[in-house]
Amino acid sequence: DTEVTQTPKHLVMGMTNKKSLKCEQHMGHRAMYWYKQKAKKPPELMFVYSYEKLSINESVPSRFSPECPNSSLLNLHLHALQPEDSALYLCASSQQQGRGNYGYTFGSGTRLTVV
Amino acid sequence: GEDVEQSLFLSVREGDSSVINCTYTDSSSTYLYWYKQEPGAGLQLLTYIFSNMDMKQDQRLTVLLNKKDKHLSLRIADTQTGDSAIYFCAESTDYKLSFGAGTTVTVRA
Repeated sequence: DTEVTQTPKHLVMGMTNKKSLKCEQHMGHRAMYWYKQKAKKPPELMFVYSYEKLSINESVPSRFSPECPNSSLLNLHLHALQPEDSALYLCASSQQQGRGNYGYTFGSGTRLTVV
Repeated sequence: GEDVEQSLFLSVREGDSSVINCTYTDSSSTYLYWYKQEPGAGLQLLTYIFSNMDMKQDQRLTVLLNKKDKHLSLRIADTQTGDSAIYFCAESTDYKLSFGAGTTVTVRA
């Protein structure tokens, strides 16, 4: 299995809703990432998990809450989002965190619309 | 991607070669990458090159790396309509991929 699987593919939520994005990989990768991508822009890093521990938080608002229940799963919990949070949310994984990785694998993303 | 720069647009005739250029700043980058993104889709890793290599060829794709000038290029031979997409150059840093702004490639008949 050489894929990163993200669910759901599309999500529409109201500003008062709570929802979660899910990401799964079975490649034995020990680093997992959440990126946010606005239309026609490059992905921007949000969070990095290394060996199931939060390693990097790129000053992301607290309405985004990541969770890594085990080495294969990564969640992103959403609460009280704003319309400007509408974007494509990409999950990625790599063998480990750091420069020596050649195998960053991205999922197909969750397209989130906040209404 | 403030540390990685790419031209924003490229228009190419079907069957011709496409060349997408990229410059990066982190001389410690171990790997450099090219990703393809089609409309509405995620990122697809096209190819990568290790920093001690000058060139890598993979079927229709050729990557050239000039480490001295921190310049990376991607050549697509015999460009097809299915190659129309946004192409991102990326460098590996201590904890993330740092992306360029992306080059939108349009293939015309």
